[in-house]
Amino acid sequence: AQSVAQPEDQVNVAEGNPLTVKCTYSVSGNPYLFWYVQYPNRGLQFLLKYITGDNLVKGSYGFEAEFNKSQTSFHLKKPSALVSDSALYFCAVRDGSNFGNEKLTFGTGTRLTIIP
Amino acid sequence: SQTIHQWPATLVQPVGSPLSLECTVEGTSNPNLYWYRQAAGRGLQLLFYSVGIGQISSEVPQNLSASRPQDRQFILSSKKLLLSDSGFYLCAWSQAGRNQPQHFGDGTRLSIL
Repeated sequence: AQSVAQPEDQVNVAEGNPLTVKCTYSVSGNPYLFWYVQYPNRGLQFLLKYITGDNLVKGSYGFEAEFNKSQTSFHLKKPSALVSDSALYFCAVRDGSNFGNEKLTFGTGTRLTIIP
Repeated sequence: SQTIHQWPATLVQPVGSPLSLECTVEGTSNPNLYWYRQAAGRGLQLLFYSVGIGQISSEVPQNLSASRPQDRQFILSSKKLLLSDSGFYLCAWSQAGRNQPQHFGDGTRLSIL
């Protein structure tokens, strides 16, 4: 089984401040973790993924995410927020130990608003 | 590079009418293909996925069906739409493999009247 939780429906951050969007996961085997961003009336865009290796993963648009196995978390971060970062963010997980598992499980999304 | 196309972008249909939404992928071969529904701009519900031509897995029993007549074509259909079928429908593709991300089209907003 695989599941993911995004505990915050809404996050507000002042422009220029660091931002964090939280994600925790649950899988039976090895977690493969992904972050996506969605702008209004658009599809989801892939930002970054963690499969194995370095716990800090860098992705598109200056975003990064930190994998923490002991806390089963994969929080999305950016050092300095831009107004254009305002969007809906989704965390997703796949059980990498489950051969033939081609499905991602998505969180319910966190709406990030950057305040000018 | 790979691209994914979905059409139409917006659709308004009466209750009881049929539905056909199409999705095509370019620039890759033998992709995994997925149909999702997103309600009220929030969570995604996986409806169908396919790992090859003619191979369809259904995740949620409902009055929708999917077909994959060609390698890079994925179609979502219904014989009779219900009010509850309204939503934002997203198609996605990925390379085969558990470490591969999915890539999404821009969606179809379906309104049932």
